[in-house]
Amino acid sequence: GIQVEQSPPDLILQEGANSTLRCNFSDSVNNLQWFHQNPWGQLINLFYIPSGTKQNGRLSATTVATERYSLLYISSSQTTDSGVYFCAAADRGSTLGRLYFGRGTQLTVWP
Amino acid sequence: DADVTQTPRNRITKTGKRIMLECSQTKGHDRMYWYRQDPGLGLRLIYYSFDVKDINKGEISDGYSVSRQAQAKFSLSLESAIPNQTALYFCATSDPIAGGPKTQYFGPGTRLLVL
Repeated sequence: GIQVEQSPPDLILQEGANSTLRCNFSDSVNNLQWFHQNPWGQLINLFYIPSGTKQNGRLSATTVATERYSLLYISSSQTTDSGVYFCAAADRGSTLGRLYFGRGTQLTVWP
Repeated sequence: DADVTQTPRNRITKTGKRIMLECSQTKGHDRMYWYRQDPGLGLRLIYYSFDVKDINKGEISDGYSVSRQAQAKFSLSLESAIPNQTALYFCATSDPIAGGPKTQYFGPGTRLLVL
């Protein structure tokens, strides 16, 4: 299956700062999703972005499929942004649709 | 997503007990998945189903079984629970129409503690 690597593993920010989270994947994908796991453990869908760029408020994401990476940008971070951010990808060569997850980036935003 | 529900949300059980985790969805999706998350790790696939008659093992299916009772319901059973099955369990659905988005939608998760 696809290998998904996320960096950095941990990120600590002051409220108001901007950040970039990176996701590298080892093969062509037909699904690339970013999730935020909140302190209660729930996975919140942020983006479905197998290619291109999308924006949603203070968050945006870019996937460069030909170079096998995706970036999640968080601008003007808030304490409520804290949690774990996961990238997950599905193999374009498979019809199974199963997602392979990275280990996540633990983001802590201090007031 | 509220369209994907899991019960129970939290469960404590003892080693050797049989337990069932249930997942229901109102999205009308054919594909359903069970994932497991251990601390500090991403999710790993336990089982998946493409329709009521189609059940497939994922990468960590040992010690688990599933039942797809209807399009909307997919249950995960631990036949004889052991402590290293303590984890956060997620159900997910998708409906990858050809040429359309292949987004997976996740339930809220079930926290399981096996003593």
